[in-house]
Order: sequence, then structure tokens, then C-alpha cells
Amino acid sequence: GAGVSQSPRYKVAKRGQDVALRCDPISGHVSLFWYQQALGQGPEFLTYFQNEAQLDKSGLPSDRFFAERPEGSVSTLKIQRTQQEDSAVYLCASSLVRGLTYEQYFGPGTRLTVT
Amino acid sequence: SQQGEEDPQALSIQEGENATMNCSYKTSINNLQWYRQNSGRGLVHLILIRSNEREKHSGRLRVTLDTSKKSSSLLITASRAADTASYFCATPGNTGTASKLTFGTGTRLQVTL
Repeated sequence: GAGVSQSPRYKVAKRGQDVALRCDPISGHVSLFWYQQALGQGPEFLTYFQNEAQLDKSGLPSDRFFAERPEGSVSTLKIQRTQQEDSAVYLCASSLVRGLTYEQYFGPGTRLTVT
Repeated sequence: SQQGEEDPQALSIQEGENATMNCSYKTSINNLQWYRQNSGRGLVHLILIRSNEREKHSGRLRVTLDTSKKSSSLLITASRAADTASYFCATPGNTGTASKLTFGTGTRLQVTL
């Protein structure tokens, strides 16, 4: 079956531009996560949705980062006024079971480069 | 912030050899997971070991967990070139969003022919 998909796969933005990154989770998966992965590092948690509710946004680095999942399926991560330090790979993951720790299925990521 | 660290940071072996990588973590956990990441397939879940388990096998993978030392190891036997990737351990949160994962820094494995 179809896995988690993300678009675009690559995005180059000029500093100060706004960007929107899309995630299509596996159909029926309740939980959706966004992670940020800097070069040479492990992924770091940004935010978590259970259906359409954003239950944890403790990892968002600043108020320039905003995520939504209005209908409980597709999610968008928006970064306003991008800065060079925002350059990273943004990973989306989904999981079937709410609130419990099961394996997460990751998308291919969006590589954001801010120039 | 990263939960823990993998050791070694990089490992280069020949095809057919075994590869062992270690992970240390900081807080108490109810399970620990290992993931593999390469450019072709992204980040893929390999195996989950629960806190009441000491060892688990899956194909050529063997994972151990020592909760008293807050450490885990991943052994890949009879390595293949296709095993070339970065390997991460990940632990779930135990407060707030229990299912969010905290990843280690990763071990980069290179398997040569």
C-alpha cells in the first residue's frame, strides 16, 4: 500500500520567504508527527497531531513555525520568514495507534535550503 | 535535544562481517526502537524491544537492552552492501506526548565489497 508521502521533496527559499511543506500520512493513521533533521544529526521532534488536534507543539523552534491538520489527514508545516538556520530535512511520520508507542512510518522528507 | 548517543559514530566493515553499534539513553523507557536511514528508502523502522525484554531477533538483526545501564546494542550479522546506511536508536517520551520519539545521533555504517 501507499506509504507516507511528502511534497515538495526539495525546496530552495530565499531568506525571508514563507514556505509550506505537505505531508500525506498513511490512510487511517491517527497520529502524525513532524521532525526536523539537521545534517549529520538524528531527527528532532517538532509537533504531534492526534486526528485534527495538535496535542504537542513543544518542539517548534519559534513562532515562525506553524503546523495544521484540519481534517485529520493531510498536514502542512508552514515556516514564515525563513532563516538560514531553518535549512534541514523535514520529516513527517504517521502511526496507527493513538497515544501508545508503536513504530512510526516516515515519509521521504522535504529538504529545505534557505539561501 | 538528542536523547542519547550511538557509538561508534562511523563504522566501516567488509561484506560478510558483523556490525555492532551501541546506543545509550538518559531517561527511563518502556521500549526502544532502532531505525535505518539511507538515501534510497528514507527512515525505516527495524525493530522494537520492550523494557521487559533483554534480547530480540529479527532476521539478521539482534538487539539487546540493558535498562540498568540505559544502553542497547544492535548487531547486524553477515552484513551486505545494502546494509550501508545510518542507524538510529529512538526512545519514546514518558511524559506529555508519550509516542513522540527522541533519536540518538546515529551510527553511519559503510559495508564494502
